[in-house]
Amino acid sequence: TQLLEQSPQFLSIQEGENLTVYCNSSSVFSSLQWYRQEPGEGPVLLVTVVTGGEVKKLKRLTFQFGDARKDSSLHITAAQPGDTGLYLCAGVLGNEKLTFGTGTRLTIIP
Amino acid sequence: DAGVIQSPRHEVTEMGQEVTLRCKPISGHDYLFWYRQTMMRGLELLIYFNNNVPIDDSGMPEDRFSAKMPNASFSTLKIQPSEPRDSAVYFCASSPGLRANRLAGREETQYFGPGTRLLVL
Repeated sequence: TQLLEQSPQFLSIQEGENLTVYCNSSSVFSSLQWYRQEPGEGPVLLVTVVTGGEVKKLKRLTFQFGDARKDSSLHITAAQPGDTGLYLCAGVLGNEKLTFGTGTRLTIIP
Repeated sequence: DAGVIQSPRHEVTEMGQEVTLRCKPISGHDYLFWYRQTMMRGLELLIYFNNNVPIDDSGMPEDRFSAKMPNASFSTLKIQPSEPRDSAVYFCASSPGLRANRLAGREETQYFGPGTRLLVL
């Protein structure tokens, strides 16, 4: 059973455009993380959100945790080719285990 | 720090053969995780250890899979016998522990190795 569904599964946009990807679940998480994975490498943490309604910014990336701590979104402003990669959300249920989402594969076209 | 080290980086084997994947976690990390990533199923947790002791192996697909951590600096994931459906990228990750990171004011992250790409023919 996949606890975390991400949408869209694939996204291909032009450089300079804005985009939003979503991570949804029916479960409540104590915190939620976003990772980016590049080809041939393991996932690398971008951010952790802990409080319902929390918004965190990382340069052109804005992360939001839903009020009920069941969902999250990642918004990228003025996308650049370096943003290309697989974006994974991961929910923390209170122990050390991470439950990863299905992933959004993002391609930014120069 | 060299980060999490995995070997081999690539493995091609024939169905029925034994496969052993190796992982050296970051020194001082108490937790070690084995994941499998495929296009169909995404990134799945197979098993994790705390202080060399297996804590949760509910993600291990079947008895053909086994994992050991004989000491704090080494772990293996073994598949015997291997099958074509085992083809995937296998990641090892280590962490000081989410709670330890939180108390120390660090990001609560697991640190992933580069993965082993396994192809079973």
